[in-house]
Amino acid sequence: GDSVTQMEGPVTLSEEAFLTINCTYTATGYPSLFWYVQYPGEGLQLLLKATKADDKGSNKGFEATYRKETTSFHLEKGSVQVSDSAVYFCALLIRGNTPLVFGKGTRLSVIA
Amino acid sequence: EAGVTQFPSHSVIEKGQTVTLRCDPISGHDNLYWYRRVMGKEIKFLLHFVKESKQDESGMPNNRFLAERTGGTYSTLKVQPAELEDSGVYFCASSQAANTNSPLHFGNGTRLTVT
Repeated sequence: GDSVTQMEGPVTLSEEAFLTINCTYTATGYPSLFWYVQYPGEGLQLLLKATKADDKGSNKGFEATYRKETTSFHLEKGSVQVSDSAVYFCALLIRGNTPLVFGKGTRLSVIA
Repeated sequence: EAGVTQFPSHSVIEKGQTVTLRCDPISGHDNLYWYRRVMGKEIKFLLHFVKESKQDESGMPNNRFLAERTGGTYSTLKVQPAELEDSGVYFCASSQAANTNSPLHFGNGTRLTVT
């Protein structure tokens, strides 16, 4: 079945460090890919998305490129801030009327 | 606009008791979803309402779980009787349409602990 695998956490980085959170997927069709973020005490928020191969989603300094050849959608940010501390979830959607399929989430802690 | 609201934020109950979770979607959102995250695992889909109808309930774990959305507004998810493995965070989400261009708006979740 469709699934998402993302790197185990927690990830701890110093402020201004480079961030990569790996995400790979298995899907029967051509999915849309998403990164959601959950800040402490809040619900999940859509961070960015890409709907077809080679698309790059970006928001708040975060980027992820849809790589069909490696079935990956790795999340990157060049310089993290303490306020980026959160749990990050990679997810896929095969088509609009099917549910989102999430990964296990990766907790990021950024220390000053 | 008000976001998706869930109540309660936390619930601690004993095994065998009943708990009812409530979700108020964003006004005008026909699509309402329930998801659950068990500690350290994926966020798993439970079910999807379109207005008051269950579009997809393939993720409901067993018949101890009952979801309703009378009138197509708020939704409730009842667990009766609760078991230890039901502990987790239950998320509700809503969207205007069920397609990739209509973003899902999530609530803050209800953390359920069954002891």
